[in-house]
Amino acid sequence: QLQLQESGPGLVKPSETLSLTCTVSGGSISSSSYYWVWLRQPPGKGLEWIGSIYYGGSTYYNPSLMSRVTITADMSKNHFSLMLGSVTAADTAVYYCARRGLTTPPFWGQGTLVTVSS
Amino acid sequence: DIVLTQSPLSLPVTPGEPASISCRSSQSLLFSNGFHYLDWYLQKPGQSPQLLIYLGSNRASGVPDRFSGSGSGTDFTLKISRVEAEDVGVYYCKQALHNPLTFGGGTKLEIK
Repeated sequence: QLQLQESGPGLVKPSETLSLTCTVSGGSISSSSYYWVWLRQPPGKGLEWIGSIYYGGSTYYNPSLMSRVTITADMSKNHFSLMLGSVTAADTAVYYCARRGLTTPPFWGQGTLVTVSS
Repeated sequence: DIVLTQSPLSLPVTPGEPASISCRSSQSLLFSNGFHYLDWYLQKPGQSPQLLIYLGSNRASGVPDRFSGSGSGTDFTLKISRVEAEDVGVYYCKQALHNPLTFGGGTKLEIK
């Protein structure tokens, strides 16, 4: 059964780098049938796509975050990661990882709250 | 960027009555494979979003059949045939055809 689990520090200081990992079980991130996504939701606000990584390593980022975001994948560990630099309080959010296929239903992790505060 | 406009913003419904939410896209969401890349999610209070409908009209596993999705091109609708108390929350549409993936602003369903 597919599971996606986000992990990483729940508290990050302003101006530092937020780093999260999404560990995938019950499926392989090296499959060409899917791509892998990071999203977030600030408290009390709507949902925002951060970026995606595709089979072969191609990445696409939200233009609003592009200068600060890097998404990578580690096939040997079957996980993919998010790095968001120069964070501010506006980056406080629940961060979700997800899997998307061409015709299969999207699948999300449960999410992890990251607070940016000194 | 593709803009998704949901309406209404707020939807008070009496239990047992039907409900309908509209999602209009600034561009067609039809891909060359014949599928529309439009999903619907429900976020219940204090919970993560849960998938209701994907590819415009496909009900996700475990979703009650009172939920249905329809539409084509740029206009899509989520319908609940008979609203139950457990259906309260914020409903979002999302397009997955073009990057950046985008969401509608949400529709809050409440029970009268």
